[in-house]
Amino acid sequence: KQEVTQIPAALSVPEGENLVLNCSFTDSAIYNLQWFRQDPGKGLTSLLLIQSSQREQTSGRLNASLDKSSGRSTLYIAASQPGDSATYLCAVIGNTNAGKSTFGDGTTLTVKP
Amino acid sequence: DAGVIQSPRHEVTEMGQEVTLRCKPISGHDYLFWYRQTMMRGLELLIYFNNNVPIDDSGMPEDRFSAKMPNASFSTLKIQPSEPRDSAVYFCASTLGGGTEAFFGQGTRLTVV
Repeated sequence: KQEVTQIPAALSVPEGENLVLNCSFTDSAIYNLQWFRQDPGKGLTSLLLIQSSQREQTSGRLNASLDKSSGRSTLYIAASQPGDSATYLCAVIGNTNAGKSTFGDGTTLTVKP
Repeated sequence: DAGVIQSPRHEVTEMGQEVTLRCKPISGHDYLFWYRQTMMRGLELLIYFNNNVPIDDSGMPEDRFSAKMPNASFSTLKIQPSEPRDSAVYFCASTLGGGTEAFFGQGTRLTVV
């Protein structure tokens, strides 16, 4: 059974700092990995999706990397802003079930002005 | 497209009552997912459909829960009878193809008193 872990559970940084969020998974036979952002009381917003054949994806100040063999993904946020404050979740889809995502519990990020 | 639309946004009901949550996926998407999010258990996949057919309902907690997708543009999740432990935020999501980028609705916050 796939298990997804996100550490730390919470992170507080000053504005402008670069930061890295971590996601690890136990079964390396994945189809893809997706990073989401969730604001309080809101739904999940897709940030980046990395296919299993890819090593990284970039969108603006965000860069997500994937190392399947070690079961790890990182989300790098450059020059953080107070508006980046949210909970960030990663989700993994395995090879055997095209629809079934396993989510981590998320990292709650606070960026202080 | 307006994205995934869920209704109602909030629902408060008494224990024992029937609750019906509704979802309209993004037009053209062929996969639809129902999730439940709680502080204790995080985000859990309840059931998902492909081309209106239920594929995996192993996450449905009990027989009190049922889901239908009568056509490509509408799905319901029903709880009958509802219990206080069903209180959670229920999300619907859709994708175009299996294992692709998922788009979430804003969720329905259910409170059973």
